Amino acid sequence: GAVVSQHPSRVICKSGTSVKIECRSLDFQATTMFWYRQFPKQSLMLMATSNEGSKATYEQGVEKDKFLINHASLTLSTLTVTSAHPEDSSFYICSARDSSTGDLNGYTFGSGTRLTVV
Amino acid sequence: DAKTTQPPSMDCAEGRAANLPCNHSTISGNEYVYWYRQIHSQGPQYIIHGLKNNETNEMASLIITEDRKSSTLILPHATLRDTAVYYCIVSRGGNYQLIWGAGTKLIIKP
Repeated sequence: GAVVSQHPSRVICKSGTSVKIECRSLDFQATTMFWYRQFPKQSLMLMATSNEGSKATYEQGVEKDKFLINHASLTLSTLTVTSAHPEDSSFYICSARDSSTGDLNGYTFGSGTRLTVV
Repeated sequence: DAKTTQPPSMDCAEGRAANLPCNHSTISGNEYVYWYRQIHSQGPQYIIHGLKNNETNEMASLIITEDRKSSTLILPHATLRDTAVYYCIVSRGGNYQLIWGAGTKLIIKP
């Protein structure tokens, strides 16, 4: 089945630094990928929709200059958290769908990245 | 997308069938019912989806009522590894975004 690889799985960074998270579709092409954020004991919240070759679409309240998304190829999307602060500490998850198998199959998710900003 | 309502938590004995209900009374005619689960500290996993007919795959069965206002996910022989948060989501498919509710925390007990 479709596999989405997300790296790193865990990262600790200092306040003010930037962190890049990669999301790769390993055996399919994904024109669209989604980035989520999940705080402890809460559900997933969509941050942005990443579109290959064009600008990402951000959800209301998500700062596009702080959470930079690049979807330069059909198999790779990256999320960069710039000037990270402790309140950015969260679980970040990407997802994609293998549209070659039809429009109705479910999404495949990465394993998530636990970001801790100290 | 329509909202769904699920019980916050459920227990089930190992080896028994786990039946997880979901209400989606405002579902539209072109919306499907999707089920995902999330094991602690992992990304969600797709389980099954359906429109109006009952569906079964290697993981679970999905029973959708005739009026489509509710559904039940059935894990026929629950194991400890099935302990997770289960999310019921209605969506039109394609690249439409998923709206995540709180889900049901299913705990399988030995």
